[in-house]
Amino acid sequence: EVQLVESGGGLVQPGGSLRLSCAASGFSFNTRWMRWVRQAPGKGLEWVANINEDGSEKYYLDSVKGRFTISRDNAKNSLYLQVNSLRAEDTAVYYCVKDGGSNWGQGTLVTVSS
Amino acid sequence: DVVMTQSPLSLPVTLGQPASISCRSDHSLVNTDGDTYLNWFHQRPGQSPRRLIYKVSNRDSGVPDRFSGSGSGSDFTLKISRVEAEDVGVYYCMQDRHWPFTFGPGTKVDIK
Repeated sequence: EVQLVESGGGLVQPGGSLRLSCAASGFSFNTRWMRWVRQAPGKGLEWVANINEDGSEKYYLDSVKGRFTISRDNAKNSLYLQVNSLRAEDTAVYYCVKDGGSNWGQGTLVTVSS
Repeated sequence: DVVMTQSPLSLPVTLGQPASISCRSDHSLVNTDGDTYLNWFHQRPGQSPRRLIYKVSNRDSGVPDRFSGSGSGSDFTLKISRVEAEDVGVYYCMQDRHWPFTFGPGTKVDIK
């Protein structure tokens, strides 16, 4: 059974940083594209970043370029999202997603507020 | 960015009756491989989204056959043949043909 378990969210002040993690199991992690998708409270869904199987290709939403970094450790079956220079508008539940959305984690909430 | 629109945005339904949601994109979603990259997701309140349909009309594993997807190019439809109580929530179409991938605004389905 595919499992994706996010962690690392929390309350952070504007301008602060967090590192989100996603522990993957139940599939061959090193053969799949992985993504981060976010959902602001009461709002719709927004793709944030993609990373290919070996980490050599990365794509970002324009509004997070230069502030967020997606990475992976295939030896640890883990996906990461380093989020820096956080803004109020980054407040959202961040989901770890496999492939084109076939599996989602439960999400981790990032709240940016002073 | 590719803009996805959905209609209606709110859909009150009667149990046992059919329901239909429309999705349109402002770019073609046909890839050079011939496939069309349009997906449908369902999100129940307080839960993570679940993909129902990929590449227009392919049901994901475990998705009831009352759900069906159709369409081509930039015009798509999700149909529920007979709505059940568990089908309430928000339905999103999503394109993964062009980066950034984009979702529609969502259609909220509830029971009349």
